[in-house]
Amino acid sequence: EPEVTQTPSHQVTQMGQEVILRCVPISNHLYFYWYRQILGQKVEFLVSFYNNEISEKSEIFDDQFSVERPDGSNFTLKIRSTKLEDSAMYFCASSLSGGDGETQYFGPGTRLLVL
Amino acid sequence: AQSVTQLDSHVSVSEGTPVLLRCNYSSSYSPSLFWYVQHPNKGLQLLLKYTSAATLVKGINGFEAEFKKSETSFHLTKPSAHMSDAAEYFCVVSDNYGQNFVFGPGTRLSVLP
Repeated sequence: EPEVTQTPSHQVTQMGQEVILRCVPISNHLYFYWYRQILGQKVEFLVSFYNNEISEKSEIFDDQFSVERPDGSNFTLKIRSTKLEDSAMYFCASSLSGGDGETQYFGPGTRLLVL
Repeated sequence: AQSVTQLDSHVSVSEGTPVLLRCNYSSSYSPSLFWYVQHPNKGLQLLLKYTSAATLVKGINGFEAEFKKSETSFHLTKPSAHMSDAAEYFCVVSDNYGQNFVFGPGTRLSVLP
């Protein structure tokens, strides 16, 4: 069964450094998403991406964040200058379409720790 | 704006006994609702979803959920718990564009032998 994969599984970085989190969505899916979960808190929506453009983003997704689909398979989340409060589990997801009720398929997550 | 409440942060049951994980939602229109499960070090796996069809939805691994509009609830049940059901369960509502999933805080299910 196809699945979403994410690399790395864990990343430790120093405050102020740039990090890139990578995701490989399911191959025929067209919509891509990033979510994050700070320890002990809810899973929160960050951004959705379709047709090489951001289609929706939350208040969390400020200028420090960017997303890109650099080739036909990868979908990346970049944090330009990490802060302590960026420490969280980051989940990538993909869906076949973006309509109401469409299932999003999630990856296993990348645990980011900012020191 | 939508929101999701999961009334229990932790539920503990004995193997072979019924499971009930509670979820209430708030939405200004007819929502789509999902239950996802997360096992340790695994991704979020879809258990089942409701999208305005039958109000009783059957999912994988013997789980089912009933959409009750009058109670704004979407509780998850299973007649008989198995040790492998121990995991974190998330109730999710999607907005009318389907792109923004709003998660509940999760319920950790423990299954005792």
